[in-house]
Amino acid sequence: GAVVSQHPSRVICKSGTSVKIECRSLDFQATTMFWYRQFPKKSLMLMATSNEGSKATYEQGVEKDKFLINHASLTLSTLTVTSAHPEDSSFYICSAGQNIGTQYFGPGTRLTVL
Amino acid sequence: QKEVEQDPGPLSVPEGAIVSLNCTYSNSAFQYFMWYRQYSRKGPELLMYTYSSGNKEDGRFTAQVDKSSKYISLFIRDSQPSDSATYLCAMSAMIYNQGGKLIFGQGTELSVKP
Repeated sequence: GAVVSQHPSRVICKSGTSVKIECRSLDFQATTMFWYRQFPKKSLMLMATSNEGSKATYEQGVEKDKFLINHASLTLSTLTVTSAHPEDSSFYICSAGQNIGTQYFGPGTRLTVL
Repeated sequence: QKEVEQDPGPLSVPEGAIVSLNCTYSNSAFQYFMWYRQYSRKGPELLMYTYSSGNKEDGRFTAQVDKSSKYISLFIRDSQPSDSATYLCAMSAMIYNQGGKLIFGQGTELSVKP
């Protein structure tokens, strides 16, 4: 199957700082990537759809100015959590779409905001 | 009513048992069906993919889709302790580059006891 990587796997930051998470498709080109958030023992919540070379599409209730998404190339999408607060602490997972309808997920990034 | 319903479990079985996991859905437009396995603190891993109705087998895993009943299943034969994980069903009506998004079930937590 296709391989998607995420970096970093874990990050701890102070309240008010910004954190950037990278998502890379390693062995295929991904014109569309997705960003999800997952709370403990809960399913995945789609935050936004990231399209290469264009603005991301955010789901209802997701603050676009807080969660900045950039998809500058066919293999890289980034999520920046700006002015992070403790309530932003969560598990963030990206995925890359395949043209048969599947998505391949990265290993996730655990963000802890102190 | 949620678009996709999945019993969250937890489900505990002895090693070697046959496991049956199920999801029901309400949107008759869904035509892409997936099962993902997620280990604790990891990203989801694609296990099975089915387009439209039918059965698909891969090793110990069998996926079934019954569109007339809006019901999908995943069977695990000869279950192993390493199968202990959360299993998520996911489905979509369109592929991602047509605006399709994955709709997830709540996930079923499976524990296989040695």
